[in-house]
Amino acid sequence: GQNIDQPTEMTATEGAIVQINCTYQTSGFNGLFWYQQHAGEAPTFLSYNVLDGLEEKGRFSSFLSRSKGYSYLLLKELQMKDSASYLCAVRTNAGKSTFGDGTTLTVKP
Amino acid sequence: NAGVTQTPKFQVLKTGQSMTLQCAQDMNHEYMSWYRQDPGMGLRLIHYSVGAGITDQGEVPNGYNVSRSTTEDFPLRLLSAAPSQTSVYFCASSTDPWAGNTIYFGEGSWLTVV
Repeated sequence: GQNIDQPTEMTATEGAIVQINCTYQTSGFNGLFWYQQHAGEAPTFLSYNVLDGLEEKGRFSSFLSRSKGYSYLLLKELQMKDSASYLCAVRTNAGKSTFGDGTTLTVKP
Repeated sequence: NAGVTQTPKFQVLKTGQSMTLQCAQDMNHEYMSWYRQDPGMGLRLIHYSVGAGITDQGEVPNGYNVSRSTTEDFPLRLLSAAPSQTSVYFCASSTDPWAGNTIYFGEGSWLTVV
């Protein structure tokens, strides 16, 4: 099975940087995804890591260490619209994707 | 530009009733899945399919059936609805699951069982 842990809630200030961590235990690892979900909406894709290292996409970056079972999502220059839940998901070689419970980020002025 | 289409968007059921949540995608994706999301929680995998004619169970399959007779459609059936099945349901699809592709989600179906 898979076990995915991420903090339940985080708060940050507009314009700041925030790092959301995700740890996982799985067999047959085939990639890690980060999704953003606003209340009442479907998740939307942010990033994908399958190899170790940092992937950067504008204000969002995601890091993966497969040996440590660890990833983080880094959000820079925070905006009010970044207030949302951030879901970490791990995919296995069998094609199944399992999601963590999500981190609710509140951005304050 | 349909993507993944789920119907209905909202549904109220009485305990013991059965119903089917419809899901269709027009992107020729092989991989489709159903998730449920309870308040304050992440997505939990109910059933998934890696291609037409192939389905498998996820984390929380009890009380649900699926079939995949075509590549496009992946309906989710609730056999005898229970209040514990009150949730938001998301259908998702993607291409080859072994490739670095995103999962595309439908807009969700809000189901209440009374």
